[in-house]
Amino acid sequence: GAVVSQHPSRVICKSGTSVKIECRSLDFQATTMFWYRQFPKKSLMLMATSNEGSKATYEQGVEKDKFLINHASLTLSTLTVTSAHPEDSSFYICSARDQVSRAVGEQFFGPGTRLTVL
Amino acid sequence: QKEVEQNSGPLSVPEGAIASLNCTYSDRGSQSFFWYRQYSGKSPELIMFIYSNGDKEDGRFTAQLNKASQYVSLLIRDSQPSDSATYLCAVKGEGAQKLVFGQGTRLTINP
Repeated sequence: GAVVSQHPSRVICKSGTSVKIECRSLDFQATTMFWYRQFPKKSLMLMATSNEGSKATYEQGVEKDKFLINHASLTLSTLTVTSAHPEDSSFYICSARDQVSRAVGEQFFGPGTRLTVL
Repeated sequence: QKEVEQNSGPLSVPEGAIASLNCTYSDRGSQSFFWYRQYSGKSPELIMFIYSNGDKEDGRFTAQLNKASQYVSLLIRDSQPSDSATYLCAVKGEGAQKLVFGQGTRLTINP
């Protein structure tokens, strides 16, 4: 149980294009999803928290107009990196939590998406 | 002061020995504590969580929590080369949605 998928696993794009990353909870309803980015040999950096049906809450310093997050259903959240630049190249990871794990707080991570912007 | 602190390592342990990973946190109101394992190039996977003082065992893994000292640890018994990874400590505050992660400890098990 508690499987989270991400698509695509790897993407290479040209500078200035937009990239959409999907995060799906496969066997549970994800009331809350989280988006992280991670640079090589660094820890996870939380970008935003999204609750199903409401606007995402962004962490300080994260541009909400650049990183668009949509959590339209209990099994799907998307992150769109708009007008991507080389400095946006990173490992993007989503995680999800259901109502059962809400009290304890455990999060289940997707496999991640490696974005390279040329 | 960082909210969640871990020794970044690398920590080298011989195969078959006990690996001990430590984590301290600053928020006294923290409720739940998690250990994640992350292999190079992969995403984190949950090993176990603990929220009561004392020990919690799951197979070769034991989590230990001491809220008075604001300290949580993970012991890995009979360490295997496949345990070589970065171990992330994460803490959830009271009423918080998000987890606060430490910087991770890189563990290497030497055959």
